[in-house]
Amino acid sequence: LAKTTQPISMDSYEGQEVNITCSHNNIATNDYITWYQQFPSQGPRFIIQGYKTKVTNEVASLFIPADRKSSTLSLPRVSLSDTAVYYCLVGDGMNYGGSQGNLIFGKGTKLSVKP
Amino acid sequence: GAGVSQTPSNKVTEKGKYVELRCDPISGHTALYWYRQSLGQGPEFLIYFQGTGAADDSGLPNDRFFAVRPEGSVSTLKIQRTERGDSAVYLCASSLRGLDTGELFFGEGSRLTVL
Repeated sequence: LAKTTQPISMDSYEGQEVNITCSHNNIATNDYITWYQQFPSQGPRFIIQGYKTKVTNEVASLFIPADRKSSTLSLPRVSLSDTAVYYCLVGDGMNYGGSQGNLIFGKGTKLSVKP
Repeated sequence: GAGVSQTPSNKVTEKGKYVELRCDPISGHTALYWYRQSLGQGPEFLIYFQGTGAADDSGLPNDRFFAVRPEGSVSTLKIQRTERGDSAVYLCASSLRGLDTGELFFGEGSRLTVL
């Protein structure tokens, strides 16, 4: 399974766009890139998943370059409630129900949003 | 309920005691995962069930840890002869087999403290 590298922490202010980049140099052909958000005393919560180019949903965008060795989670106009830890995971998203259930979480990026 | 339910939410025990942690996944989700999370760290994979069988138990740290899912729904994580190093938040997640988004739904966790 591909290992990921993210910044340990980031600071931002309300209303700004935040971009968190994750490196995954040994990503495999079948691997998807998934981001989770975790608040204190809660379990992680799925944000977005993608394979290539760009994916957008109601809360975030995910940018994946052609070589797929990195990805960027973009949070538009953050608010105080976006303060959380963000995890980047790489794995076989089409086969979570298969033999490989080991999804590796790194230490994540602690995002602090200030007023 | 609508989400993944874990009980107890908090468990304090003494070193050497036996502990059981329960996970009730989202109805219909055939895949179930156990993770544990120490303070300041990302979730660490323990075991993954597909239906009643453990498809991947490579994350269980030693033979004191065991998990079952006898009817393919509720799962119990069992820890024998607890040690202080077992203190952590134990997270359970479930997902729907065949869902190609790979989204895991996490419970709020069971916080285990071994004195």
